[in-house]
Amino acid sequence: DTGVSQNPRHKITKRGQNVTFRCDPISEHNRLYWYRQTLGQGPEFLTYFQNEAQLEKSRLLSDRFSAERPKGSFSTLEIQRTEQGDSAMYLCASSKVTVGSYGYTFGSGTRLTVV
Amino acid sequence: AQTVTQSQPEMSVQEAETVTLSCTYDTSESDYYLFWYKQPPSRQMILVIRQEAYKQQNATENRFSVNFQKAAKSFSLKISDSQLGDAAMYFCAYRSGDSGNTPLVFGKGTRLSVIA
Repeated sequence: DTGVSQNPRHKITKRGQNVTFRCDPISEHNRLYWYRQTLGQGPEFLTYFQNEAQLEKSRLLSDRFSAERPKGSFSTLEIQRTEQGDSAMYLCASSKVTVGSYGYTFGSGTRLTVV
Repeated sequence: AQTVTQSQPEMSVQEAETVTLSCTYDTSESDYYLFWYKQPPSRQMILVIRQEAYKQQNATENRFSVNFQKAAKSFSLKISDSQLGDAAMYFCAYRSGDSGNTPLVFGKGTRLSVIA
């Protein structure tokens, strides 16, 4: 197992374009989280899945953002009509839901720059 | 809503010395978990240490230890014998003890520099 994988590592896009990021969690982890991290800030929660079900969405997740996790494996995060304020690092994390397992494993993130 | 505050945006420490990073949190819950994560430059965030609120004993992981003061809602991280590889952003995080149904809440982080 190679950990949580995120692609692409970097994305530069023009304002108004759509972008999609992918996250492959650790295979036995049934929880998957998306966070956004802007410069000088801690990660902010966006949404999370348990298996294929999206259980919670933050108010930060505007209607331009959509996340999916088909079949409970990898997940995608799409941003439509990107704005400069969307520039950030998008982090994915996964975890098990078992007693005694409390930590997340993070991916390396996708850095989005909107120009 | 729970909040996590890290009041030190930047800290520095001499190699081989000890440094303490501060974290306070606000919650009305009695069952929760606290974490310190390390984020090296351009690298992924990794878990350094975790503490269950119901445990009175402070967690320790090699050179890393915490001072958990539940009544004061304080959770500081002590790094002993600091090494150059300890240079990173450190984030304090909180999670409710509701069987993992709520996500981690992070502080804004402390940037630690290690001086050779």
